[in-house]
Amino acid sequence: GAVVSQHPSRVICKSGTSVKIECRSLDFQATTMFWYRQFPKKSLMLMATSNEGSKATYEQGVEKDKFLINHASLTLSTLTVTSAHPEDSSFYICSASRGREPYNSPLHFGNGTRLTVT
Amino acid sequence: QKEVEQNSGPLSVPEGAIASLNCTYSDRGSQSFFWYRQYSGKSPELIMFIYSNGDKEDGRFTAQLNKASQYVSLLIRDSQPSDSATYLCAVNGGEYGNKLVFGAGTILRVKS
Repeated sequence: GAVVSQHPSRVICKSGTSVKIECRSLDFQATTMFWYRQFPKKSLMLMATSNEGSKATYEQGVEKDKFLINHASLTLSTLTVTSAHPEDSSFYICSASRGREPYNSPLHFGNGTRLTVT
Repeated sequence: QKEVEQNSGPLSVPEGAIASLNCTYSDRGSQSFFWYRQYSGKSPELIMFIYSNGDKEDGRFTAQLNKASQYVSLLIRDSQPSDSATYLCAVNGGEYGNKLVFGAGTILRVKS
């Protein structure tokens, strides 16, 4: 099956620093990747849609200058949390679809990154 | 009204029983429906997906879709303790486009 690799799985950083999270599709090319955020005991909230070779599309309420997304190739998207604060502590999960028609293609998720900002 | 609604549970069933998980959605134009399982501290894993009205079976799992009622369900037969997890319903298509919108999830506990 499709494999999406996410790194790192866990990161602890100090307030004010930046953290980069990588998401790779290992066995398929993903023109679109999605970044989700999940708080404890809450559902996944879509942050942004990452499009290869173009700017990401952010959901309402998500600060694009704080959560920088780059999708430089068909197999790699990165999320950088800039000037992190304790309230940014969360579980960040990327996902990708192998299909050309996303409506009919299930998303495959990375293993997630647990970010803790102290 | 929430876009995708699920009963948060927990739903408790004895081992070997059938677990029935339900989900309703608000966008009548939704096209694809997915069930994911998420263990604590882990990312979601796909169980199955359904596009057409009716039932779709895969092993112990059956997804049921009724577009007229805007309702999708997941049945788990012969429930096992290892099935204990949070089950997320997700929808895309319609006004969501290719974005996947998740429900809050139902906690399932299978007691041995």
